Amino acid sequence: GEEVAQTPKHLVRGEGQKAKLYCAPIKGHSYVFWYQQVLKNEFKFLISFQNENVFDETGMPKERFSAKCLPNSPCSLEIQATKLEDSAVYFCASSPTGQGISGNTIYFGEGSWLTVV
Amino acid sequence: GDSVTQMEGPVTLSEEAFLTINCTYTATGYPSLFWYVQYPGEGLQLLLKATKADDKGSNKGFEATYRKETTSFHLEKGSVQVSDSAVYFCALSDPNSGYSTLTFGKGTMLLVSP
Repeated sequence: GEEVAQTPKHLVRGEGQKAKLYCAPIKGHSYVFWYQQVLKNEFKFLISFQNENVFDETGMPKERFSAKCLPNSPCSLEIQATKLEDSAVYFCASSPTGQGISGNTIYFGEGSWLTVV
Repeated sequence: GDSVTQMEGPVTLSEEAFLTINCTYTATGYPSLFWYVQYPGEGLQLLLKATKADDKGSNKGFEATYRKETTSFHLEKGSVQVSDSAVYFCALSDPNSGYSTLTFGKGTMLLVSP
């Protein structure tokens, strides 16, 4: 598609429940990114993929967060046993190239709003 | 590590006023610089970018110049409109990460009144 598509737009989970978010990158883009936007607008990088391979996972909380980008499927971000502090907007983004390209533009989806109650 | 510092908001202006939102950065390499805008309830949209010193990015009346000597990338617009009300994020990508990820500032909210 022409835009990064994220689902669901809103998700409410009780503490301890699982949350799973999906992202379809722009067709032809090789790189996919997940960012978390918490209160006061701060963006935190979580993880990036080059096709189906993890490229950079330095921002990913190790314990409860996982992500995948499998061929012919939307990418996903899963949070096991959600906590209140996981409440945030999760943005997926994609770019046509990643490595070594100055000015490489990253295109963002509209985000998935996760509320943990 | 890399970081981006933006002026805190909100910035409140009347329509047709001049806008400046300051942004400075620290980076280990020679970064690319971006301004993104987030309208209420929406995702991030790229507003403009610059990839080398003295480059000027421009779009929709907004401009920013890559100043290596002051490590700055201030956003300006000569005459703001109510429709410009949004949160503006300065960001960089670093060659040491292969330009593959963005480091964001904390965002500056702009409120424009008629």
